[in-house]
Amino acid sequence: LAKTAQPISMDSYEGQEVNITCSHNNIATNDYITWYQQFPSQGPRFIIQGYKTKVTNEVASLFIPADRKSSTLSLPRVSLSDTAVYYCLVGDNNAGNNRKLIWGLGTSLAVNP
Amino acid sequence: GAGVSQSPSNKVTEKGKDVELRCDPISGHTALYWYRQSLGQGLEFLIYFQGNSAPDKSGLPSDRFSAERTGGSVSTLTIQRTQQEDSAVYLCASSLEQESNYGYTFGSGTRLTVV
Repeated sequence: LAKTAQPISMDSYEGQEVNITCSHNNIATNDYITWYQQFPSQGPRFIIQGYKTKVTNEVASLFIPADRKSSTLSLPRVSLSDTAVYYCLVGDNNAGNNRKLIWGLGTSLAVNP
Repeated sequence: GAGVSQSPSNKVTEKGKDVELRCDPISGHTALYWYRQSLGQGLEFLIYFQGNSAPDKSGLPSDRFSAERTGGSVSTLTIQRTQQEDSAVYLCASSLEQESNYGYTFGSGTRLTVV
């Protein structure tokens, strides 16, 4: 399955918009792009998923260009509680293939006062 | 419960002892996964259960690791003769057979420390 590349770390301040970009040059036709958030001492938590163009929910927006070789997670007006590790994953939606998802190191986001 | 429940949350054991880690998935979720996360690392797949099918054990790092899933619900991960390199957070996740738009749900994990 497609591998991804994302920055190891990012810093921001409260109230700012944060954009985390993930590269996935080998994304397949059936693949979705999914982002997870992980706080210390907790398991990853699903944030958002998309296939193309733009997806928005109460937590974040996901922007996917036409070639789908990258995606950008956008967190509006971050707060201290958004400090976490953010993972970008690419794969189809079949439960059997979730086991093949490659979890990298993610992006460690630090939100400062 | 509403989420995936794991117990214990923390476990300290002596090298060479056996440990059992428990996972209670979301009711109705047929797929169950175990992962391991070492300090500062991404998730490492261990084993996958789907309904009554034979589990995919391809991620188990050695024959000291085994897992069961009874009645298609609760799962137990067993590590025999623990070694210090087994120290990690062990995460369990569950999902429906076909996911759409919400991925799969993780528990909070069991932090295993082998001393």
